[in-house]
Amino acid sequence: DAKTTQPNSMESNEEEPVHLPCNHSTISGTDYIHWYRQLPSQGPEYVIHGLTSNVNNRMASLAIAEDRKSSTLILHRATLRDAAVYYCILRDGGGSNYKLTFGKGTLLTVNP
Amino acid sequence: EAGVAQSPRYKIIEKRQSVAFWCNPISGHATLYWYQQILGQGPKLLIQFQNNGVVDDSQLPKDRFSAERLKGVDSTLKIQPAKLEDSAVYLCASSPRVQGMAKNIQYFGAGTRLSVL
Repeated sequence: DAKTTQPNSMESNEEEPVHLPCNHSTISGTDYIHWYRQLPSQGPEYVIHGLTSNVNNRMASLAIAEDRKSSTLILHRATLRDAAVYYCILRDGGGSNYKLTFGKGTLLTVNP
Repeated sequence: EAGVAQSPRYKIIEKRQSVAFWCNPISGHATLYWYQQILGQGPKLLIQFQNNGVVDDSQLPKDRFSAERLKGVDSTLKIQPAKLEDSAVYLCASSPRVQGMAKNIQYFGAGTRLSVL
């Protein structure tokens, strides 16, 4: 699986937007970009995914660079409940093994 | 809909003892995964089942770890004998069968926290 690079930690204030970056310079044409997050003492949960175009859902937005070598997860208004570790993961769209390969992710702290 | 159920939530054992974890996936989900998460790291896949067949167990330490999913529904992960380095959270996840695309979403349980003393 292609590798991703994320900052170890980021900090935000409540009700402000948060932009979580992810670099994936070795991404292949069939790799999907997935984001999961893990709240304290819970298992990871799916946030969003995309291939080439920007994506929006009720939880977040995903902005994908034109060359696909980087992406940004956007939380439009951070709340205290968004404090978690956020994982950026590449998944091979051409394979049949739907394995998730997690890195260390970005620990997001939200200040009240 | 009910989520992925795991039990127990916590387990403390001494090294060289045996331990088993149980997982009940979301109803109808064909694929089941077991992950190991060591403190400060992301989860690492141990084994992946498609129905009751093993798809990937390349990172499962087979000398001490075993897993089964006999009827293609719930699953058990066993460690025998446990070592100190097995202290971790063991996460179970499941996903529905999706053909041909990497949109497959995994749904995780809350995990079992194992402490080996």
